[in-house]
Amino acid sequence: SQTIHQWPATLVQPVGSPLSLECTVEGTSNPNLYWYRQAAGRGLQLLFYSVGIGQISSEVPQNLSASRPQDRQFILSSKKLLLSDSGFYLCAWGETGANVLTFGAGSRLTVL
Amino acid sequence: GEDVEQSLFLSVREGDSSVINCTYTDSSSTYLYWYKQEPGAGLQLLTYIFSNMDMKQDQRLTVLLNKKDKHLSLRIADTQTGDSAIYFCAGVLGGSYIPTFGRGTSLIVHP
Repeated sequence: SQTIHQWPATLVQPVGSPLSLECTVEGTSNPNLYWYRQAAGRGLQLLFYSVGIGQISSEVPQNLSASRPQDRQFILSSKKLLLSDSGFYLCAWGETGANVLTFGAGSRLTVL
Repeated sequence: GEDVEQSLFLSVREGDSSVINCTYTDSSSTYLYWYKQEPGAGLQLLTYIFSNMDMKQDQRLTVLLNKKDKHLSLRIADTQTGDSAIYFCAGVLGGSYIPTFGRGTSLIVHP
């Protein structure tokens, strides 16, 4: 069966520090991968999605970037965090051609 | 306006039925979904409905789709405290394969 892992679960970082959130999927090949942000516990904003290794699409301009170095690994990064980057970050995967998403448990980022 | 809209809050008494409503803009939507998010957790798929269906029932959950009005609802019968969560409506809109999510409805169940 397929599983999705996200870490770290909780992160407190100072303004200006770097960020790296990691997501891995097991039990499937060539998944579509997604990063969402949920600010203040409300709504889901699609940040990035990827249909294959090295293929990243960005939905909104922002202080963040994403990379997919391996088929089942998706990384969300920032060189310098802003206060506005605080939020709950969710990774998700879906099969190619299918619309159902399976979400990870989320990573809560607080920028102070 | 937003592509998928939901009311933000719903409060019900334990044992009553809950009805969470959602409207969407794209009449060509093929799939519509309901996800549940418990506090501090990710989203879990609850149920989905194809656009050629009017209703789908799964135990305590009933999904109704009114394509003419572009309205989707989720009814939870005999609502329990464990049903307290945020419920997201999502649809595949505009030919995209990526679901568009509503802002979520916080369901509060009180004794």
